[in-house]
Amino acid sequence: ETVMTQSPATLSVSPGERATLSCRASQTVSSNLAWYQKKPGQAPRPLIYGASSRATGVPARFSGSGSGTEFTLTISSLQSEDSAVYYCQQYDNWPGYTFGQGTKLEI
Amino acid sequence: EVHLVETGGGLIQPGGALRLSCAVSGLSVSTTYMSWVRLAPGKGLEWVSVIHVDDKTYHADFVKGRFTISKDKSKNMVYLQMNNLRADDTAVYYCARELDGFFDHWGQGTLVSVSS
Repeated sequence: ETVMTQSPATLSVSPGERATLSCRASQTVSSNLAWYQKKPGQAPRPLIYGASSRATGVPARFSGSGSGTEFTLTISSLQSEDSAVYYCQQYDNWPGYTFGQGTKLEI
Repeated sequence: EVHLVETGGGLIQPGGALRLSCAVSGLSVSTTYMSWVRLAPGKGLEWVSVIHVDDKTYHADFVKGRFTISKDKSKNMVYLQMNNLRADDTAVYYCARELDGFFDHWGQGTLVSVSS
């Protein structure tokens, strides 16, 4: 099983600044990496797929990068509404898609 | 517009069974992969099960032999039969459409609580 490790566990950033979230895979996942935003009481929201492609309706403030085992989600011009838990997910190694444990972003 | 609506969650005793349902609109379960993903209290998202277009099913090791995913093409529904439930199965269960491994549409989830 591919283990996904996210860091940091919690990140506190001021409005208007930039947040950088990291995700590491225990083995290569190529570019088969997605990011999701999860707010309490809401469904997970897809943000990024293919490591760097934005999902439908996601603003350009959200960007993804990386390949292989190291990935980054960058959120610029932070707004209070960006407070959430962010999860990465690999879909390269089957069977079993795996998620990271999440990074809680506090604005 | 795609909508996924889960129902069937509730409070159940350990060892009990529940069947979750996912009503799908805006796409056909006949032509797409459908999964269940869960979020347990204090834990991260976990993929549970998937059913493919050809009706092949796959389950995470931690539910193998206890959970079964299925679909009804005529009703455009997806189901998750959960047997021999354990306390650590307590979670919100989400129905999600999988597109080449990426979950691009999600329901709002249904809460399953396993407790005596």
